[in-house]
Amino acid sequence: QKEVEQDPGPLSVPEGAIVSLNCTYSNSAFQYFMWYRQYSRKGPELLMYTYSSGNKEDGRFTAQVDKSSKYISLFIRDSQPSDSATYLCAMKGPRTGFQKLVFGTGTRLLVSP
Amino acid sequence: ETGVTQSPTHLIKTRGQQVTLRCSSQSGHNTVSWYQQALGQGPQFIFQYYREEENGRGNFPPRFSGLQFPNYSSELNVNALELDDSALYLCASAGQGRLDTQYFGPGTRLTVL
Repeated sequence: QKEVEQDPGPLSVPEGAIVSLNCTYSNSAFQYFMWYRQYSRKGPELLMYTYSSGNKEDGRFTAQVDKSSKYISLFIRDSQPSDSATYLCAMKGPRTGFQKLVFGTGTRLLVSP
Repeated sequence: ETGVTQSPTHLIKTRGQQVTLRCSSQSGHNTVSWYQQALGQGPQFIFQYYREEENGRGNFPPRFSGLQFPNYSSELNVNALELDDSALYLCASAGQGRLDTQYFGPGTRLTVL
């Protein structure tokens, strides 16, 4: 079993839809949770960063973390064709010593005009 | 403030050859991590450097090695290339104590024939 599971998609939605992207994880030591957006043949771009459980909102994006269920989500409101990309969830353990990011496989999102 | 840069953009090698990839970290960032991203997969952690020392390594064989220089730029070296080494190689930098927010470069796409 992978440490982080993410549906690869593709997820196709019409412009203006609300998009829900999700990841589950198995390692209860994870405390920091991130969402990256990656356009084709580019490096990942940090979108959202959350510590522990709760919600965080930034413009059209909302990140949710439920540590009790080991489940994280990214919601995109009023989706735009420019949101078409692969969305990667990533997570890591406590802020002490050596740290690495553990990524999901990424979900490909297609927003049609 | 300059972002993370990587060179070259693309590279084609044959099996058994050696390759060196380069990364310049974001200004003020002293920690560099390298990731391998195979097609359709999330990035996999290779190793991390902090103040010119390797301080963590993922499940990659010793033929993957690296260096970090006093200006915090970094190199990834891969010896005895195998076909499965074909991937996008990503460099990420982070500021001291801010490993929860790593910023990625555009990557080097390596093809091994």
